[in-house]
Amino acid sequence: EDQVTQSPEALRLQEGESSSLNCSYTVSGLRGLFWYRQDPGKGPEFLFTLYSAGEEKEKERLKATLTKKESFLHITAPKPEDSATYLCAVFASGGSYIPTFGRGTSLIVHP
Amino acid sequence: DADVTQTPRNRITKTGKRIMLECSQTKGHDRMYWYRQDPGLGLRLIYYSFDVKDINKGEISDGYSVSRQAQAKFSLSLESAIPNQTALYFCAIRGPGTEAFFGQGTRLTVV
Repeated sequence: EDQVTQSPEALRLQEGESSSLNCSYTVSGLRGLFWYRQDPGKGPEFLFTLYSAGEEKEKERLKATLTKKESFLHITAPKPEDSATYLCAVFASGGSYIPTFGRGTSLIVHP
Repeated sequence: DADVTQTPRNRITKTGKRIMLECSQTKGHDRMYWYRQDPGLGLRLIYYSFDVKDINKGEISDGYSVSRQAQAKFSLSLESAIPNQTALYFCAIRGPGTEAFFGQGTRLTVV
């Protein structure tokens, strides 16, 4: 059974204070790892897909990296508008190609 | 127009009532999913469908049923709603080898 664990559950940062969110996974036959951003009461919004260990992707202040056991979402010099819940999901052949989500990290950035 | 449209966006219903949540998409993807989101529990899969003639149970299908009326439409029904089905419901779609796209969600309250 695919398992996805995100940490920390909640994170409070001051504006400009860089940090990282973690997504560790146990799957059989990883085909992709997704990062999403979710604002309260809204649907998750796609950020990145990572396919293989060593891969990195960037978008504005966000950078996602992938190893064989975990992924990190690095947030550089965050702004209050980066406040949201960040979800990680894996997609694996062992999981019948169904995205399995972690519980998310709630990020609050204080001005 | 949104890629994934859910209706209604909000609904309050009474215990024991039948209710249907609808999802339609404009991207032509075969794979459609219904997820439920509760605070602290993340996204949990209720049902999924890989094409019009394919319906599969997810991890929390009890008390729910679905209908794939067409490639673009996937409905979720609660035959007899109960209070612990109060949650945020999301429909998602995915094409081969792509990320999942989510609708804006339906907030359901069962009183």
